Amino acid sequence: AQSVTQLDSQVPVFEEAPVELRCNYSSSVSVYLFWYVQYPNQGLQLLLKYLSGSTLVKGINGFEAEFNKSQTSFHLRKPSVHISDTAEYFCAVIQTGANNLFFGTGTRLTVIP
Amino acid sequence: NAGVTQTPKFQVLKTGQSMTLQCAQDMNHEYMSWYRQDPGMGLRLIHYSVGAGITDQGEVPNGYNVSRSTTEDFPLRLLSAAPSQTSVYFCASSPRATYNSPLHFGNGTRLTVT
Repeated sequence: AQSVTQLDSQVPVFEEAPVELRCNYSSSVSVYLFWYVQYPNQGLQLLLKYLSGSTLVKGINGFEAEFNKSQTSFHLRKPSVHISDTAEYFCAVIQTGANNLFFGTGTRLTVIP
Repeated sequence: NAGVTQTPKFQVLKTGQSMTLQCAQDMNHEYMSWYRQDPGMGLRLIHYSVGAGITDQGEVPNGYNVSRSTTEDFPLRLLSAAPSQTSVYFCASSPRATYNSPLHFGNGTRLTVT
């Protein structure tokens, strides 16, 4: 079975500052990793995904994430955040060959003006 | 292109009542799923379907039924609502039941059971 841990439930950060949202996973088989974003009163949208190849993946809105197999991590980063980045961010994992995505508990990012 | 449509947006039920949450997608997606979102617990998979006529249980299926008679629709039934089912419910779909197909989410149904 796989699991996903998001270590920070809330992250406040000042506008234009960098941010890192942490995600660790565990699985006995290979996995694929995703970050989704949820804006207030909306469903989730895909931010980026890691399937294979380069361990640094770039997503929408200037976000990027790095897959680290040895540390079983997939941290999300942005060098300079905007007010509009205020949202909840979910890390998710799916085992290769499986049908279903499993989500972490989410990190609420609040950007302070 | 409407994407994934969920109805109703809000619902209040009394304990023991039954209801059906509707989900429809117009993208001809094979895979559809239901999640519930609770504070501090993220999203948990209730049921999913990899095609019409095929359904299976997720992490938290107890108290919920589903059916998939058409590709477009995937209703979630609460047979006898309980306060523990107070949650926000999301329906999601993807083209195929594979890792390479991102999920498309509806805007959610907020359910309160008193």
